[in-house]
Amino acid sequence: GENVEQHPSTLSVQEGDSAVIKCTYSDSASNYFPWYKQELGKRPQLIIDIRSNVGEKKDQRIAVTLNKTAKHFSLHITETQPEDSAVYFCAATYLGSNTGKLIFGQGTTLQVKP
Amino acid sequence: DAGVIQSPRHEVTEMGQEVTLRCKPISGHNSLFWYRQTMMRGLELLIYFNNNVPIDDSGMPEDRFSAKMPNASFSTLKIQPSEPRDSAVYFCASSNGRKLFFGSGTQLSVL
Repeated sequence: GENVEQHPSTLSVQEGDSAVIKCTYSDSASNYFPWYKQELGKRPQLIIDIRSNVGEKKDQRIAVTLNKTAKHFSLHITETQPEDSAVYFCAATYLGSNTGKLIFGQGTTLQVKP
Repeated sequence: DAGVIQSPRHEVTEMGQEVTLRCKPISGHNSLFWYRQTMMRGLELLIYFNNNVPIDDSGMPEDRFSAKMPNASFSTLKIQPSEPRDSAVYFCASSNGRKLFFGSGTQLSVL
């Protein structure tokens, strides 16, 4: 079955710097890769996703890149702000299964220092 | 749509008591998932349903845990008897086959 590895487990950056979180997946059939942000005491919320037919997707200060050959995908946050502090989860799945079951990474705790 | 609705938001109970967590998925979603989140183990998938049928319950830790989905708009997760190590946040989530949306979670404390 699918396995998703995420690192680093913790990341501390200065406000204004960039942050990068990396994930690798094992199942070459996986074709959908969402990222979730979980603020303290809140639910995980989808912030960006990418399908395997594109290599990069951007939404304002966040972007996700995908390397299908290497089975890597990454989240990039530019010009970080204190409100970006949260736990970030990557995930992978095969959309053809139609169940929506996601395999999550272990999570990265991002701290943005003002 | 109100999103995925879970109840209660907080539950404090004594060891040995039965606990029932409830979930209403987003209307039209065909899959429902129960997750448990702790500091030590992160997000664990306990069980999921597709079209109200349990598909994979391999994440259910013990026979003390059971889940049902009697119809497309309601699911329960029951723990009987509860133990202190069951203390965690339990999330319900639903999907339309692609995007997964989480409920607000139930914070369970077993004393």
